[in-house]
Amino acid sequence: ILNVEQSPQSLHVQEGDSTNFTCSFPSSNFYALHWYRWETAKSPEALFVMTLNGDEKKKGRISATLNTKEGYSYLYIKGSQPEDSATYLCAFLSSYNTDKLIFGTGTRLQVFP
Amino acid sequence: EAQVTQNPRYLITVTGKKLTVTCSQNMNHEYMSWYRQDPGLGLRQIYYSMNVEVTDKGDVPEGYKVSRKEKRNFPLILESPSPNQTSLYFCASKTGTLNSPLHFGNGTRLTVT
Repeated sequence: ILNVEQSPQSLHVQEGDSTNFTCSFPSSNFYALHWYRWETAKSPEALFVMTLNGDEKKKGRISATLNTKEGYSYLYIKGSQPEDSATYLCAFLSSYNTDKLIFGTGTRLQVFP
Repeated sequence: EAQVTQNPRYLITVTGKKLTVTCSQNMNHEYMSWYRQDPGLGLRQIYYSMNVEVTDKGDVPEGYKVSRKEKRNFPLILESPSPNQTSLYFCASKTGTLNSPLHFGNGTRLTVT
């Protein structure tokens, strides 16, 4: 059974703080790692799809890094704003079964003004 | 506007009364999938479809049926709903390219009493 773990489960930060959280996934049979942002009462939206070890992707104040050899990805948010409040999901795609994304349980971020 | 449309958004029903949740996408995506989201668990895949007339079981297919007669539509059918199918359901689609991200519908919150 492939396991994808995210930590922490939840995070409360002050506006302006920078923050980061982790997604851990199997280090073997890696194909891709997805990050999604899920705001309350909306649908998850894709942030990044990462495929190469050492890859770093950036979208505005949000960036992500990938280490496929040790099986983890970090998501960073620089200067958090209240509109960043959401649940951040990662999902692992194994080369063993490329039909199925395996999702973590998410990190719920709340940014207080 | 490119989107995945799910209906209904909210549904309360009784045990054993057949229901269908519709899903339609206008992006000509080959791949479509259904997920359920339960507290403390990641998104779990119910069924998926790689293309028209091709469907496969995900991790939790019991009690569900799907069909893919047209490329744009992927309805989820609960022949005899039970209370343990009370959940938040998401339909998602993507292109056939392995590294493409999922596009999610707005979700259907189903309660079975």
